Amino acid sequence: GQQVMQIPQYQHVQEGEDFTTYCNSSTTLSNIQWYKQRPGGHPVFLIQLVKSGEVKKQKRLTFQFGEAKKNSSLHITATQTTDVGTYFCAGAYSGAGSYQLTFGKGTKLSVIP
Amino acid sequence: NAGVTQTPKFQVLKTGQSMTLQCAQDMNHEYMSWYRQDPGMGLRLIHYSVGAGITDQGEVPNGYNVSRSTTEDFPLRLLSAAPSQTSVYFCASSWGVRGVQETQYFGPGTRLLVL
Repeated sequence: GQQVMQIPQYQHVQEGEDFTTYCNSSTTLSNIQWYKQRPGGHPVFLIQLVKSGEVKKQKRLTFQFGEAKKNSSLHITATQTTDVGTYFCAGAYSGAGSYQLTFGKGTKLSVIP
Repeated sequence: NAGVTQTPKFQVLKTGQSMTLQCAQDMNHEYMSWYRQDPGMGLRLIHYSVGAGITDQGEVPNGYNVSRSTTEDFPLRLLSAAPSQTSVYFCASSWGVRGVQETQYFGPGTRLLVL
């Protein structure tokens, strides 16, 4: 089946430092979505990237989709304690398996005040 | 709109017992799915449905059954619970038949412990 690798698994940062998580797929993605899950909560949609090389920004968050549509990253500038949680990427594929969303294992972000 | 609702929030079962996890959405979404979340494993797809009367298996379907008699409801049945099914279960829904191409709306989850 399809696999989406996500690194790092954990990241501890001082408040104000930057944070980046990376996702990689061995095959071309149709689109990639990013979700945030607060401790004890459920995943909440952040953004979807569809186009090759696409870059989207949401305040301090920057999302990138690789030119080959096989990798993506989420970068948070100047982290705050409200950024704490687990960030998941989720890849969608065309063709066989196109009705299934494949999640990375997530990056758990801790922010030290 | 209530969005995606799940019941119960918590459940403790004994090995061999059966139960149904309920999921409902009031957004008229065609696509619904069930995931399980285990520590360090991310979210793994159990079953999904692209509309009433249509279901299919995901990555980890063994030990679970689903049905979709209405657009709104998508229950997940555990046939004979095993300790390996201890997990947090999330239901999700989205617009359109090609639901994975759209935003997924997740329910609050059901925490299941099988003894």
